[in-house]
Amino acid sequence: NAGVTQTPKFQVLKTGQSMTLQCAQDMNHEYMSWYRQDPGMGLRLIHYSVGAGITDQGEVPNGYNVSRSTTEDFPLRLLSAAPSQTSVYFCASSNSGKTEAFFGQGTRLTVV
Amino acid sequence: GNSVTQMEGPVTLSEEAFLTINCTYTATGYPSLFWYVQYPGEGLQLLLKATKADDKGSNKGFEATYRKETTSFHLEKGSVQVSDSAVYFCALPGGYNKLIFGAGTRLAVHP
Repeated sequence: NAGVTQTPKFQVLKTGQSMTLQCAQDMNHEYMSWYRQDPGMGLRLIHYSVGAGITDQGEVPNGYNVSRSTTEDFPLRLLSAAPSQTSVYFCASSNSGKTEAFFGQGTRLTVV
Repeated sequence: GNSVTQMEGPVTLSEEAFLTINCTYTATGYPSLFWYVQYPGEGLQLLLKATKADDKGSNKGFEATYRKETTSFHLEKGSVQVSDSAVYFCALPGGYNKLIFGAGTRLAVHP
């Protein structure tokens, strides 16, 4: 009963490095999204997808890329890491944009 | 657009005390409403939900009633435990096909 699986759980990057945060779900959900959680800022939507091959920007998309080649996977790519991207990242999936979302355990990213 | 306002924390209670965390919303129509809980170092978990006006969601001793008259969805528990210490988020669907979350209320329960 995996649900939404994120890897890695922790990551430290140097400024300018790139990396991919992985997200996979086994619930056959069409909707997937990436949030970042920062102290005092709540959860902010980075990118989302309403199905394989379809992605769109959320509130804070700059510096991040996504793709959705399969229903199950929705990786988030940091192109050139910056200290401002130090955050906890959560992937979520749902049946639709109006129903409850299921969250992964999060990736704690530190950019130095 | 839709929005949610949640009482600020932290809330500090003794074990077996009564808990209320206030949540009010602004929405077009009558969307589903949710409470999520985040335990330390973990992701958000759905705690309970209500899908229409006057519905009561409940789980693990927590309850919340969807009140359209007062546009509220307050979270309550009659007797909290130390294990309930967590951050609680009120949420509803918004634009961008996403959920809109309140700022979160940190609850600390002491023995």
